[in-house]
Amino acid sequence: SQTIHQWPATLVQPVGSPLSLECTVEGTSNPNLYWYRQAAGRGLQLLFYSVGIGQISSEVPQNLSASRPQDRQFILSSKKLLLSDSGFYLCAWRYRQGANPEQYFGPGTRLTVT
Amino acid sequence: QQPVQSPQAVILREGEDAVINCSSSKALYSVHWYRQKHGEAPVFLMILLKGGEQKGHEKISASFNEKKQQSSLYLTASQLSYSGTYFCGTENLAAQFYFGTGTSLTVIP
Repeated sequence: SQTIHQWPATLVQPVGSPLSLECTVEGTSNPNLYWYRQAAGRGLQLLFYSVGIGQISSEVPQNLSASRPQDRQFILSSKKLLLSDSGFYLCAWRYRQGANPEQYFGPGTRLTVT
Repeated sequence: QQPVQSPQAVILREGEDAVINCSSSKALYSVHWYRQKHGEAPVFLMILLKGGEQKGHEKISASFNEKKQQSSLYLTASQLSYSGTYFCGTENLAAQFYFGTGTSLTVIP
């Protein structure tokens, strides 16, 4: 069966510090991968998606970046965090091809920038 | 490109029905519906594909109007467990996926 992991679960970081959030998927290969951010009480904002190793599409220009160094690993980074970066970060995957376009979400990382 | 949902919030008594709408400005290939409990990740409910529709649960169903680029989620005889925020997700013909603005549903006894 497929599983998706995210870590850390919670994170408190000062403004201006760097960030690295990791997401890994097990039990499948060649998935599409997604990073979303959800501010408190708000909807899901798509940040990045990837259809393969090294292939990253950015939806929102900001101080975040993403990388996919391995097929089932997706990393969200920042060199200098802003207060507005606080939120609930969700990683998701889906089958790249086939009739099942459902997205499967990880447990999320709750980031508080102070 | 984010689909718009309506209403933004709704409060129901147990046993009442509700309809949540999702509207996109782009031609759609599929519409997904998710429910998110507070502090948790979204959970998949069902998907509707271009050219057809699919019912995911007994008392929760959905329709997809391709021409109008709209989908509606129907919750009948609501239960306390239905409370949460409902998101539609739309996939357009370019395979881009976006979540809707969300609808907060509260079911009270």
